[in-house]
Amino acid sequence: DTEVTQTPKHLVMGMTNKKSLKCEQHMGHRAMYWYKQKAKKPPELMFVYSYEKLSINESVPSRFSPECPNSSLLNLHLHALQPEDSALYLCASSQPTSGNNEQYFGPGTRLTVT
Amino acid sequence: DAKTTQPTSMDCAEGRAANLPCNHSTISGNEYVYWYRQIHSQGPQYIIHGLKNNETNEMASLIITEDRKSSTLILPHATLRDTAVYYCIVRNSNYQLIWGAGTKLIIKP
Repeated sequence: DTEVTQTPKHLVMGMTNKKSLKCEQHMGHRAMYWYKQKAKKPPELMFVYSYEKLSINESVPSRFSPECPNSSLLNLHLHALQPEDSALYLCASSQPTSGNNEQYFGPGTRLTVT
Repeated sequence: DAKTTQPTSMDCAEGRAANLPCNHSTISGNEYVYWYRQIHSQGPQYIIHGLKNNETNEMASLIITEDRKSSTLILPHATLRDTAVYYCIVRNSNYQLIWGAGTKLIIKP
């Protein structure tokens, strides 16, 4: 199984809502990532978890809160977002330290903040 | 971190080889070159990677110049399904992917 799944596929939320994005992989990978992608731009790294511990936070605003409950799951909790946070949110996983750090990406969650 | 430069867009005829160039003149000796592609409305897909030597797999070939300042991704027999944005990426010593802006490749029948 080389699949990373993400739910929901689409999400519309108001600026006062609280919502969560979910990501799951069963490849035994011990590194998981959240990326944000705006239209016609490359993905931007937000967070990296390695062995279920947050190892990289790319200065992401606190209204985005990641969580890694176990080695297969990654969540992104959203609260008080702004319209400019509307984007495609991608999850990825990989082996953290092997020579081939191929990242497997999920299909993404298309988020619209109204 | 090294940065990559790619053409914004390219066309290629179906059945012909698609050659996608990338410049990474500031790459360090231990930084790998990776290529991913992103088909519309999907997550990025790994294609190939290399350090110094040329590499080939079932999807593509990667040609890296001897000075490592540039590389070319070759899709040997492009099909309409290869239409996508192709990203040239440098993986730094912290295993982070430093993405280029991407080349939009359009395969024409």
